[in-house]
Amino acid sequence: DAGITQSPRHKVTETGTPVTLRCHQTENHRYMYWYRQDPGHGLRLIHYSYGVKDTDKGEVSDGYSVSRSKTEDFLLTLESATSSQTSVYFCAISPGTADYGYTFGSGTRLTVV
Amino acid sequence: AQSVTQLDSQVPVFEEAPVELRCNYSSSVSVYLFWYVQYPNQGLQLLLKYLSGSTLVKGINGFEAEFNKSQTSFHLRKPSVHISDTAEYFCAVRGLSGGYNKLIFGAGTRLAVHP
Repeated sequence: DAGITQSPRHKVTETGTPVTLRCHQTENHRYMYWYRQDPGHGLRLIHYSYGVKDTDKGEVSDGYSVSRSKTEDFLLTLESATSSQTSVYFCAISPGTADYGYTFGSGTRLTVV
Repeated sequence: AQSVTQLDSQVPVFEEAPVELRCNYSSSVSVYLFWYVQYPNQGLQLLLKYLSGSTLVKGINGFEAEFNKSQTSFHLRKPSVHISDTAEYFCAVRGLSGGYNKLIFGAGTRLAVHP
């Protein structure tokens, strides 16, 4: 999607290894979010950020950490990947006004074997 | 707090038939409502949104949705679907008060259009 990119697009990793996913935006939006998408569960919020160095937990944050050292980048880290973290991960951005909604990235498909 | 229920997980329909995807929400405050579409192997795209005013909202690709406050519903409709409408559709709600507001998503409805 224009203005927001996720990397990598696909990754296969082994159980127990650390993994970092990157979300990069060029829109200068204040808010950034990480979601995971699983069949039957829709989108579930992992973590979000409301500014540089300002982050908070979502509904499924266990096993994940995030960092935002500059406006344009929001990193999601799986400290020690488990098979239950096999999922598609989406980043989203928003300027913060309630009427805007979110703009989503194209997703990262992560497989933990 | 807000929540969203999409009443159908899957909706099969034939090409050129009408379709309705149902969404109900609960909230103790006024809300904004959104529908997103996700085509295979892609991210979510905004289809339409209700902010205020007319309860009938028109979106992209011929879709429309009607906000019904008394029924707390925001159903998505299209009078004649195409094969290319095959996708997953997500309803979302955002409260207008109560501190930081996030979009709350439903579980999604998979629309399968058959020839």
